[in-house]
Amino acid sequence: EAGVAQSPRYKIIEKRQSVAFWCNPISGHATLYWYQQILGQGPKLLIQFQNNGVVDDSQLPKDRFSAERLKGVDSTLKIQPAKLEDSAVYLCASSLKAGTSGWHQETQYFGPGTRLLVL
Amino acid sequence: GQNIDQPTEMTATEGAIVQINCTYQTSGFNGLFWYQQHAGEAPTFLSYNVLDGLEEKGRFSSFLSRSKGYSYLLLKELQMKDSASYLCAVLDSNYQLIWGAGTKLIIKP
Repeated sequence: EAGVAQSPRYKIIEKRQSVAFWCNPISGHATLYWYQQILGQGPKLLIQFQNNGVVDDSQLPKDRFSAERLKGVDSTLKIQPAKLEDSAVYLCASSLKAGTSGWHQETQYFGPGTRLLVL
Repeated sequence: GQNIDQPTEMTATEGAIVQINCTYQTSGFNGLFWYQQHAGEAPTFLSYNVLDGLEEKGRFSSFLSRSKGYSYLLLKELQMKDSASYLCAVLDSNYQLIWGAGTKLIIKP
C-alpha cells in the first residue's frame, strides 16, 4: 500500500514570495490534515478536510494561507505572501475517517513533509 | 486550555530500559497516541490506548491511566536506532488530536 505522498521535499523562497505544496493521501482515506511543525515542537494543525469539506481551519492564518481538496483526494496548501516565521516543515497526514472513535479509523499516517525556508 | 506535558529530552544507554511520561489535560478524551519521529523524518505511529492498562507491542509498551491523565511509553532493550523524538497526542472530545512537543531520546553506547 502506497503511503502519503508530498512534493516538493524542500523549498527555499524569499519573503513575500508565494509557494504551494501538494499532498496525495493514502488511497481510501477520507480525512486529510495539513500540519506545520517548527523544530523542537509538536505538529500544529493548520487545516483538516473530511472528503472535500473543511472540518477545522481555526489555526490557519487565512490572510496568507489557503488550502483546497477539490475532488476529495489530493490537496494543495498555498502561502502567499510568505513571511520569515513560515520557515518550518509542512506535514500532510491522512486517516481512514476521523470522528468515529476507532483507533484504526483515527490513526494518522504522515507523508515525508516539505521543508520550507523563507529568506 | 488543553495541555500535554512531556520531558524535553532524555538520555539512556543501549540495551537498557527507558520510560517516557506524558501527562495531559484536555477537553474530553477519545484515546492517546504515541508516535516516533526520527530527525528530519515524518512521525510514524507506534501505539494507541483508550482503556486503562498496558498495551505491549514487541520492545515497546504503552500505559494509560485516564483518572490520572497520565500515560507512559516504555522502551526495552534499547537500540541505537531508537534515538528519536517521541510524541504523545490525545484525541479530545471533538476528535481533534492535541500534540505534545515531544521527548528527544538520546541513546548512548
